[in-house]
Amino acid sequence: KAGVTQTPRYLIKTRGQQVTLSCSPISGHRSVSWYQQTPGQGLQFLFEYFSETQRNKGNFPGRFSGRQFSNSRSEMNVSTLELGDSALYLCASSLTDRARTGELFFGEGSRLTVL
Amino acid sequence: DQQVKQNSPSLSVQEGRISILNCDYTNSMFDYFLWYKKYPAEGPTFLISISSIKDKNEDGRFTVFLNKSAKHLSLHIVPSQPGDSAVYFCAASSFQGAQKLVFGQGTRLTINP
Repeated sequence: KAGVTQTPRYLIKTRGQQVTLSCSPISGHRSVSWYQQTPGQGLQFLFEYFSETQRNKGNFPGRFSGRQFSNSRSEMNVSTLELGDSALYLCASSLTDRARTGELFFGEGSRLTVL
Repeated sequence: DQQVKQNSPSLSVQEGRISILNCDYTNSMFDYFLWYKKYPAEGPTFLISISSIKDKNEDGRFTVFLNKSAKHLSLHIVPSQPGDSAVYFCAASSFQGAQKLVFGQGTRLTINP
């Protein structure tokens, strides 16, 4: 079956702009999580959605937001971009919201560069 | 506040030998631990996990050991193969935030032929 699909794969923005990233989870998966990966901070949890509801949120400013649609697809938005927002943004999906197998299936990520 | 730490940024091991990757955590609420493997230009892939009610879990060449009193876990790969060369991330979660994984910084493992 198709994996987690993230678009766009690469994008370049300038400071002050905003960006929207998209994630299509594996078919049948209802939980979608977002992570930011930077060389200095590693992988950091942004937020998690299940059935269109945000269930968990990481320690990121309000400029970072997300949503999930009824078909489980998710988007995240970053407004007023800063240089430090340059990172690989990873989306992960899982079948349920309490999958204690912990098996998240990650997409290949969207690499954002802010100039 | 680094709740999950992988103190070795890199590790080099000869093919056929054992690779041991280490991870420490500070949050006593963590009760589930995972290892992910990441190749360049790909997302992390799940490798193996362990619940806090166990101290060992084995899957083929991969074994994870958990020492709750020391808040330490390790991943053993035996025997190491060139395809194991990747970045390995340790991650932890608590029941309250089951889908919220806290990751370590990662260890780059290089298997030398």
